[in-house]
Amino acid sequence: SAVISQKPSRDICQRGTSLTIQCQVDSQVTMMFWYRQQPGQSLTLIATANQGSEATYESGFVIDKFPISRPNLTFSTLTVSNMSPEDSSIYLCSVEGTGGPSSYNEQFFGPGTRLTVL
Amino acid sequence: GIQVEQSPPDLILQEGANSTLRCNFSDSVNNLQWFHQNPWGQLINLFYIPSGTKQNGRLSATTVATERYSLLYISSSQTTDSGVYFCAVEGGAGGTSYGKLTFGQGTILTVHP
Repeated sequence: SAVISQKPSRDICQRGTSLTIQCQVDSQVTMMFWYRQQPGQSLTLIATANQGSEATYESGFVIDKFPISRPNLTFSTLTVSNMSPEDSSIYLCSVEGTGGPSSYNEQFFGPGTRLTVL
Repeated sequence: GIQVEQSPPDLILQEGANSTLRCNFSDSVNNLQWFHQNPWGQLINLFYIPSGTKQNGRLSATTVATERYSLLYISSSQTTDSGVYFCAVEGGAGGTSYGKLTFGQGTILTVHP
């Protein structure tokens, strides 16, 4: 398994500002993932953060709006830029656990960052 | 991309009742997981089950990969079981989908005392 922490746990922000969310893992992982959960909705993948290369964004998400950093194998940040009320969501990071017999392993999620934009 | 459908969307039970939640997916998968999202928003891992059957206490799950569905069984439900249950899959398309989970819309479970 993996132990994941996120900061901040929640925040209330004004429109037009930016917020950077941090994700820290207790072990080295190759890929980290960022998801968004809008109110009453399911989770949607924003991007994959790889150490040493540009993040890979899913359809509908762009780097200018959601810049991602991945400075090492245990840490990543997601910035929500120029926020509007539509950005109010829970943002979660996830990683794959290590040590399984298969190339495809169980994924674990951080506790999430609950963002409200006024 | 792969499609994931969960049913029922809502479920209301009396404490002690049993229930079955279903997850259908549209393509082969390399990974299938069930999660419980608690009222604080945290996702709790229930099962990693790309195929076969697993049990953990009052919960069990079965995935029939060849028929593209998975079932989550909750027996003797308790009020603490309330929350949203998500099924998530990692599609079988190889490199392009590696590590990327596609979530169903969830089942909202309410257990009354």
